[in-house]
Amino acid sequence: GAGVSQTPSNKVTEKGKYVELRCDPISGHTALYWYRQSLGQGPEFLIYFQGTGAADDSGLPNDRFFAVRPEGSVSTLKIQRTERGDSAVYLCASSLNSGRQETQYFGPGTRLLVL
Amino acid sequence: AQTVTQSQPEMSVQEAETVTLSCTYDTSENNYYLFWYKQPPSRQMILVIRQEAYKQQNATENRFSVNFQKAAKSFSLKISDSQLGDTAMYFCAQSTGGGADGLTFGKGTHLIIQP
Repeated sequence: GAGVSQTPSNKVTEKGKYVELRCDPISGHTALYWYRQSLGQGPEFLIYFQGTGAADDSGLPNDRFFAVRPEGSVSTLKIQRTERGDSAVYLCASSLNSGRQETQYFGPGTRLLVL
Repeated sequence: AQTVTQSQPEMSVQEAETVTLSCTYDTSENNYYLFWYKQPPSRQMILVIRQEAYKQQNATENRFSVNFQKAAKSFSLKISDSQLGDTAMYFCAQSTGGGADGLTFGKGTHLIIQP
């Protein structure tokens, strides 16, 4: 596809469970970003990858959150021992290169609901 | 820390009218970038317009233009000849700076275009 894709579109889980959210960036984009958008708020930065490495993970709220990008393309955001407060839309974005001048292109997000 | 403030939670105008959405930001950086994103109910964030802080000329994209006041740290979005399809959440964002590439977003303005 031409744009950023995210799967699943929606995820319902129970408190304490483990979830994985997947992001497929635009082909050829080297930088990939994860954001979390709570209800009524703007997106909040979580983590950013340049290639395979996490260049900045300062936005991850705690050690239950982890993300990987093993081959420099697809990325997976992993949440352990989910809590009700983790319920939000998780957005992924990619850009051609890294750098603050780059435009980030967003996917449609995964809506996570923790019961 | 970077902050972005959107003081209008919701705005409503008639089709074909002009509307201005306000945004203020706070940064200690000299070189930064500002963005307006549109988020329709589909959740996908779409870039509307961007502005480089070192450029004095205001950015324009068809019906969309900005009023960038660097000294006042203000970055408003003007939509001319508004259309029903402009109905969406609009988010102002700033490149985070400090070497990090994530964006800092405001809380958004819900714009409703009435027929």
